[in-house]
Amino acid sequence: GAVVSQHPSRVICKSGTSVKIECRSLDFQATTMFWYRQFPKQSLMLMATSNEGSKATYEQGVEKDKFLINHASLTLSTLTVTSAHPEDSSFYICSARRQSTYEQYFGPGTRLTVT
Amino acid sequence: SQQGEEDPQALSIQEGENATMNCSYKTSINNLQWYRQNSGRGLVHLILIRSNEREKHSGRLRVTLDTSKKSSSLLITASRAADTASYFCAPEADRGSTLGRLYFGRGTQLTVWP
Repeated sequence: GAVVSQHPSRVICKSGTSVKIECRSLDFQATTMFWYRQFPKQSLMLMATSNEGSKATYEQGVEKDKFLINHASLTLSTLTVTSAHPEDSSFYICSARRQSTYEQYFGPGTRLTVT
Repeated sequence: SQQGEEDPQALSIQEGENATMNCSYKTSINNLQWYRQNSGRGLVHLILIRSNEREKHSGRLRVTLDTSKKSSSLLITASRAADTASYFCAPEADRGSTLGRLYFGRGTQLTVWP
């Protein structure tokens, strides 16, 4: 299957700082990428849809000024958690939609801990 | 709800047995995808079945789709201990601004005992 990478895999930051997470599709182009967060033993919650060359679409209840998304190229989307707080601690997962097959491939996730 | 809902929530079987997981959804779909997730890890794509397909096979996996009943099933044959994981179905909506979005349920936790 196709490969999607995320970096970093783990990050610990202090409250009030910003953290950037990268999502890359390594062997296919993705005009659309998605960002999710997942709490322990719970399902994935879609946060936003990232479209290359246009503004991201955020799900209801997700603060767009707090979770900044940039889809700079057909293989890269970034999520920046601004002014992070302990309640932002979570597992963040991205996915990339392969245009030719509609299959969505997920990155390995980023564990964010805000102290 | 647009999300897929898996049934059962938990399934425990012996190695060699078959495991069947069901999924129901409520929206009109473009396709439906199945994933597995090991604890604390990312999701692994298993199979995609399009809305105009009824059955699809991949190795020990067999997926069915009944769009009239808005349901799908995943069958894992001759299960192995390594199949132990959570399994999620994710219907992809086919309408307008929601195109491409996957909606995940809580998944089925499969445990395969050696």
